[in-house]
Amino acid sequence: GAVVSQHPSWVICKSGTSVKIECRSLDFQATTMFWYRQFPKQSLMLMATSNEGSKATYEQGVEKDKFLINHASLTLSTLTVTSAHPEDSSFYICSARVGGFTGELFFGEGSRLTVL
Amino acid sequence: RKEVEQDPGPFNVPEGATVAFNCTYSNSASQSFFWYRQDCRKEPKLLMSVYSSGNEDGRFTAQLNRASQYISLLIRDSKLSDSATYLCALMYSSASKIIFGSGTRLSIRP
Repeated sequence: GAVVSQHPSWVICKSGTSVKIECRSLDFQATTMFWYRQFPKQSLMLMATSNEGSKATYEQGVEKDKFLINHASLTLSTLTVTSAHPEDSSFYICSARVGGFTGELFFGEGSRLTVL
Repeated sequence: RKEVEQDPGPFNVPEGATVAFNCTYSNSASQSFFWYRQDCRKEPKLLMSVYSSGNEDGRFTAQLNRASQYISLLIRDSKLSDSATYLCALMYSSASKIIFGSGTRLSIRP
């Protein structure tokens, strides 16, 4: 099946620093990628839809200036958590759809962020 | 009201038992439905899509009831390896994004 890869898998940073997470589609082109966040024992919450070559579409309540998304190519989307705080500690997962509007959604392995 | 609601469980059942979960949704514009499986600290993986006519994949059966706005997942002859969190998900016809329920934890005991 299609592969979506995320990096890094784990990151620990100090409060106030910025962290960049990469999401790559390894064997297909993804014009659209989705970024989710999952707190312990909670569901995946959609943060934003990343669109290649244009601005991301953010869900209500997600600060676009804090969670910067860049989708510069058909195989790479990045999420930057700026000025991270302990409450940003979470599991961030990207996903991409293969095969158009109703195609299967493949997920990256996730990135676990811990902000001290 | 949440867009997608699930009983969080946990469901603790013996190996070989049959277990069923339901998931309700609030927006009748929902078009496509899915069940995902998520193991601890891992990414979700698609278990099966849910079709209006119902569908079966081995020991797993998914049903959709549009009138009552819920989907269900039935697992027969449960295995220890079925222990995981099961997430229902839906996609609206007007957008390509997928919304997830909070998940139902299933634990199969020997």
